[in-house]
Amino acid sequence: EVQLVESGGGLVQPGGSLRLSCAASGFTVSSNYMSWVRQAPGRGLEWVSLIYTGGSTSYADSVKGRFTISRHNSNNTLSLQMNSLRPEDTAVYYCARDPISPSRMIDWGQGSLVTVSS
Amino acid sequence: QSALTQPASVSGSPGQSITISCTGTSSDVGNYDLVSWYQQHPGKAPKLMIYEVSKRPSGVSDRLSGSKSGNTASLTISGLQVEDEADYYCSSYAGSSTWVFGGGTKLTVL
Repeated sequence: EVQLVESGGGLVQPGGSLRLSCAASGFTVSSNYMSWVRQAPGRGLEWVSLIYTGGSTSYADSVKGRFTISRHNSNNTLSLQMNSLRPEDTAVYYCARDPISPSRMIDWGQGSLVTVSS
Repeated sequence: QSALTQPASVSGSPGQSITISCTGTSSDVGNYDLVSWYQQHPGKAPKLMIYEVSKRPSGVSDRLSGSKSGNTASLTISGLQVEDEADYYCSSYAGSSTWVFGGGTKLTVL
């Protein structure tokens, strides 16, 4: 059974850093297109970042230069390092995967809430 | 990376059909057949319902169908059921390895 479990969310002050993790089971992270998508409270979905099967990465303009996506084959996890956090980064962060295409997300985690506030 | 435009809400009665539109530009929806639709119930993670404009993942009801014309994609749900009540989001490839979501549409089954 495919499972994605996010962790690492919490309260952080503006300008601070946080690292989200996504523990995967039932599939191999490195063989899938892995994405981060966020949802601000009461708002819509926003694509954040993707790591291709080949290891290339891409980012939304809103997080480029501040966030870094990476994967860790040793423990089959996906991470999102978030630096220089802003109040507008407050959201539930979902990790998602797809084995076939970067343009769809067949499986999602339950989400991890990040709150940026002083 | 501007969000795709969706109606804020649509509604229908059980058994009826509804259509949700998703309008982008020639840089995203109009240029790629890479539109997906996601269903999200309150407090839950999104679920993929349609990909590549009109394809359904295994297990998704054939009451759902997708299409595209120009810069606008559409999701049609026929034979509305109470359990279809949810938020629906479209997504499109936007070029340069970026993707964009729509603002979401709340479907109410009256």
